[in-house]
Amino acid sequence: EVQLVESGGGLVQRGGSLRLSCAASGFTFSNYWMHWVRQAPGKGLLWVSRINSDGRTTTYAASVKGRFTISRDNAKTTLFMQMNSLRVEDTAVYYCAREGTLIDHWGQGTLVTVSS
Amino acid sequence: QSVLTQPPSASGTPGQRVTISCSGSSFNIGGNSVNWYQQVPGTAPKLLIYSNDQRPSGVPERLSGSKSGTSASLAISGLQSEDEADYFCAAWDDSLNGYVFGTGTKVTVL
Repeated sequence: EVQLVESGGGLVQRGGSLRLSCAASGFTFSNYWMHWVRQAPGKGLLWVSRINSDGRTTTYAASVKGRFTISRDNAKTTLFMQMNSLRVEDTAVYYCAREGTLIDHWGQGTLVTVSS
Repeated sequence: QSVLTQPPSASGTPGQRVTISCSGSSFNIGGNSVNWYQQVPGTAPKLLIYSNDQRPSGVPERLSGSKSGTSASLAISGLQSEDEADYFCAAWDDSLNGYVFGTGTKVTVL
């Protein structure tokens, strides 16, 4: 069974940093591209970033480019998101997701709250 | 900020058929596959339809997807109370070089 478990969320002040982690199991992690998707309270889903299977190719949404960095450790089957210069509008639940045929599996999410 | 447009709400009585539309452009739906997700508030999204019209194992046959040009649709037949949730379409966008989601549709079973 595919499992994706996020951690690292919490309360941070505007301008601060957080590092999210996503522990993957139940599939061959190193074979799959991975994503981060976020959802602000009461809002829809917003794609944040994608990384290819070996970690060499990354893509970002315009709203986070230059502030967020996606990475992965295939040996530890873990996905990361380093978030710097956080803004109030970055407040959201952050989901880790696997790309099969597009996104096919999601974690339960971790809440990031940025205070002003 | 969503690139794909969905109606905000849809409803029906138990047993009825409900259809949700998803409108995009040649950069996303027109040139790429569409997925559909169900999200019960407070939980993670769940994949319902992939590659426009394919159901993952475990998704009932009364759910079906289709695509034509720059639009896609999700149909729920034999509506049940457990279908009350939010539904999102999604596709890769070649212009944005990113994954785009629909605005979301809340389905209510009357």
